[in-house]
Amino acid sequence: GAGVSQSPSNKVTEKGKDVELRCDPISGHTALYWYRQSLGQGLEFLIYFQGNSAPDKSGLPSDRFSAERTGGSVSTLTIQRTQQEDSAVYLCASRLETGSQETQYFGPGTRLLVL
Amino acid sequence: GESVGLHLPTLSVQEGDNSIINCAYSNSASDYFIWYKQESGKGPQFIIDIRSNMDKRQGQRVTVLLNKTVKHLSLQIAATQPGDSAVYFCAENNYGQNFVFGPGTRLSVLP
Repeated sequence: GAGVSQSPSNKVTEKGKDVELRCDPISGHTALYWYRQSLGQGLEFLIYFQGNSAPDKSGLPSDRFSAERTGGSVSTLTIQRTQQEDSAVYLCASRLETGSQETQYFGPGTRLLVL
Repeated sequence: GESVGLHLPTLSVQEGDNSIINCAYSNSASDYFIWYKQESGKGPQFIIDIRSNMDKRQGQRVTVLLNKTVKHLSLQIAATQPGDSAVYFCAENNYGQNFVFGPGTRLSVLP
């Protein structure tokens, strides 16, 4: 089907507020990844899902960050009590399945700015 | 030549020349490698991949070379065009687990 989509494309929030970022993976893709990219930096892994479970949460920077995935499809990344250092582009990617030598396909990202 | 930018190393090449972007990966057990291209304001876009049982793979105007002995990956772009200007990332994958990305190289194509 269509590619990976993310919403919102841009989000400006005030320090201390909670934000929720959404990712719609490619239909049929069982693996879903969240990354963070600060300005001019590489990709920082946050979490990945295989189906609805998250075998690897090691990249979440603090307990203010959480993610869930329901129905093996849409995923949401929630940041509570946002801080200015959370400002970044949050990228989602999906992949047919883990355990295969297949690439992941990225969405356009959500640009988060915390004032 | 190469220079270190604000955060990313930058490679500047003349239009029409060949470009070579290098990447050192970390895990000798990684079995799958990918090159991505990221244009400003967009997500990374798949360019080419290679499995660990190969040492070279060619695509359209791009070639990826893998040297497992020294854990080195390179991307060669033939006849570089202005549209090739972007940040290029390598990524390694270990038996289907998470992808680990390199720091990225900014390619600047000079007219």
